[in-house]
Amino acid sequence: DSGVTQTPKHLITATGQRVTLRCSPRSGDLSVYWYQQSLDQGLQFLIQYYNGEERAKGNILERFSAQQFPDLHSELNLSSLELGDSALYFCASSADTFSNQPQHFGDGTRLSIL
Amino acid sequence: GESVGLHLPTLSVQEGDNSIINCAYSNSASDYFIWYKQESGKGPQFIIDIRSNMDKRQGQRVTVLLNKTVKHLSLQIAATQPGDSAVYFCAFVYGNNRLAFGKGNQVVVIP
Repeated sequence: DSGVTQTPKHLITATGQRVTLRCSPRSGDLSVYWYQQSLDQGLQFLIQYYNGEERAKGNILERFSAQQFPDLHSELNLSSLELGDSALYFCASSADTFSNQPQHFGDGTRLSIL
Repeated sequence: GESVGLHLPTLSVQEGDNSIINCAYSNSASDYFIWYKQESGKGPQFIIDIRSNMDKRQGQRVTVLLNKTVKHLSLQIAATQPGDSAVYFCAFVYGNNRLAFGKGNQVVVIP
């Protein structure tokens, strides 16, 4: 058990809808990262938050947004969903934002767009 | 973007034998590398890491080797067990602790 909790585990919705994925980092970790895993693109970095502030952006679509709350949990919001958004979404956390620290991953949310 | 490549998509190994998984990376500026293991239905699980000032690091039954000259990373698993069957990813850190992952390498342990 990595200590990172993601909910829900599965989400099924339709095109055009909006969903929210939730992540609770490991106790004491201040940094949260979101990744998307699809069959054709592999694991792709989306966005990072550190202590409530956005720190880095990767391949995140404008239809997607995230935030980190004062209690350090994070939410990833996906809107105007398309079939191609079907994927596994992982959250990871680390103690702070410095490199040379392993990120620990949750078990992901599987998003299926019908 | 940043890229990390894996040489072999699937590795079948007899239980008890040693496994070696290879990985090539493109960013010579990276100074931190990680191996993750992903089992079906789970997230990537940290196995071992290595910093660029080292060329070898050992853990429990695992060894990571780093060759910065040719930008090559490998993971050695000793006495492979059925529980080692999984997809293994190499990753390197770039930018602000962002990870770039390889495509993954399936390891199948034959009892």
